Amino acid sequence: AQTVTQSQPEMSVQEAETVTLSCTYDTSENNYYLFWYKQPPSRQMILVIRQEAYKQQNATENRFSVNFQKAAKSFSLKISDSQLGDTAMYFCAYSGAGSYQLTFGKGTKLSVIP
Amino acid sequence: GAVVSQHPSRVICKSGTSVKIECRSLDFQATTMFWYRQFPKQSLMLMATSNEGSKATYEQGVEKDKFLINHASLTLSTLTVTSAHPEDSSFYICSASKGSDYNEQFFGPGTRLTVL
Repeated sequence: AQTVTQSQPEMSVQEAETVTLSCTYDTSENNYYLFWYKQPPSRQMILVIRQEAYKQQNATENRFSVNFQKAAKSFSLKISDSQLGDTAMYFCAYSGAGSYQLTFGKGTKLSVIP
Repeated sequence: GAVVSQHPSRVICKSGTSVKIECRSLDFQATTMFWYRQFPKQSLMLMATSNEGSKATYEQGVEKDKFLINHASLTLSTLTVTSAHPEDSSFYICSASKGSDYNEQFFGPGTRLTVL
């Protein structure tokens, strides 16, 4: 079974600074998808960024980028120029290519400090 | 596009009663819908996966007779918590998949259930 591990239960960052959230996963599949979801206090899950395993290039969405290391099974999220609105729970998630199910990590609570 | 709604957003019921939660994909047809449960300060726990017109597939440890899932159309899935008890109090979230290549799920805003 696939597992997703987020080793940082809580993190904080000063506004305008950069922060990196860690995620590792375990799988025997070669094709899969990885996601970072954000859950603000409203509890609405919002997709931040996704990565297809077959793509070597790291995904980027504005201030959000990932460092995808397939051999190491690592998928970290970098948030640049942190904003107060980035305060939220961040969940790393895995989905195998043959299934639409998501396996979530336990989450990292990120606080952006003014 | 890809908006998912849930109704109600909050519900309070007495122990022993049943509660129905609706999940709708508003602007797309959902090939698959998922139901999650989330306890405070914890991650999402998948309860079941449902495809339109088929019986739901429940995760291990989830009582199918207690959590009835109906996926009657490509835009609607319902979760009924039968004979609810205080331990069923939780945040329930649905999601829907278009069946695209990206395996992306689109999430509803969640339903907070409180059983007195």
